[in-house]
Amino acid sequence: DTAVSQTPKYLVTQMGNDKSIKCEQNLGHDTMYWYKQDSKKFLKIMFSYNNKELIINETVPNRFSPKSPDKAHLNLHINSLELGDSAVYFCASSQDMSTVKYFGPGTRLTVT
Amino acid sequence: QKEVEQDPGPLSVPEGAIVSLNCTYSNSAFQYFMWYRQYSRKGPELLMYTYSSGNKEDGRFTAQVDKSSKYISLFIRDSQPSDSATYLCAMRRGGSNYKLTFGKGTLLTVNP
Repeated sequence: DTAVSQTPKYLVTQMGNDKSIKCEQNLGHDTMYWYKQDSKKFLKIMFSYNNKELIINETVPNRFSPKSPDKAHLNLHINSLELGDSAVYFCASSQDMSTVKYFGPGTRLTVT
Repeated sequence: QKEVEQDPGPLSVPEGAIVSLNCTYSNSAFQYFMWYRQYSRKGPELLMYTYSSGNKEDGRFTAQVDKSSKYISLFIRDSQPSDSATYLCAMRRGGSNYKLTFGKGTLLTVNP
């Protein structure tokens, strides 16, 4: 009974490629997020959606585009991948925006 | 100066020890404070969530906030090897500003 699931778990790709990471939550939460954790373990928010509406959009390159087809899903599409995009990307969800309660297992992206 | 500072450790203690983990912050607008535990190659999980100054206890864990000193702590009593993980502090402003700012995490090892 995974609360927040992400696919794929590992993603190895070459510079310049386009890739997507999928996220689903089965908790009935209204809010979903994408976080990036770099090699130094620093966790930073990228996007937040509440009821399919974009609420937080941090200063990430516009090569990153989130898409929320419904409240249970928040996908992340990345165009023209660069070496610096290598990181672990975490999807998360919460019932409201007061705090982030549930994180997914992460997608480890390696760009070569 | 970073908004949130956290000693990355590593911190190594014997089983049964009392562990003290700390973060300092510079932004007096922070009102909500959280502690997350992250096992290796897993997503963070929310341990404690507190508002404003004071203490909050949950089992072996106690979160302490001192807003006058801009200092928060997490105490773990009777530490267990299963507590071995990275502990991340996080905080956010009040009102409708929902962005969490994380510390870099402290790696804790509890030795049996």
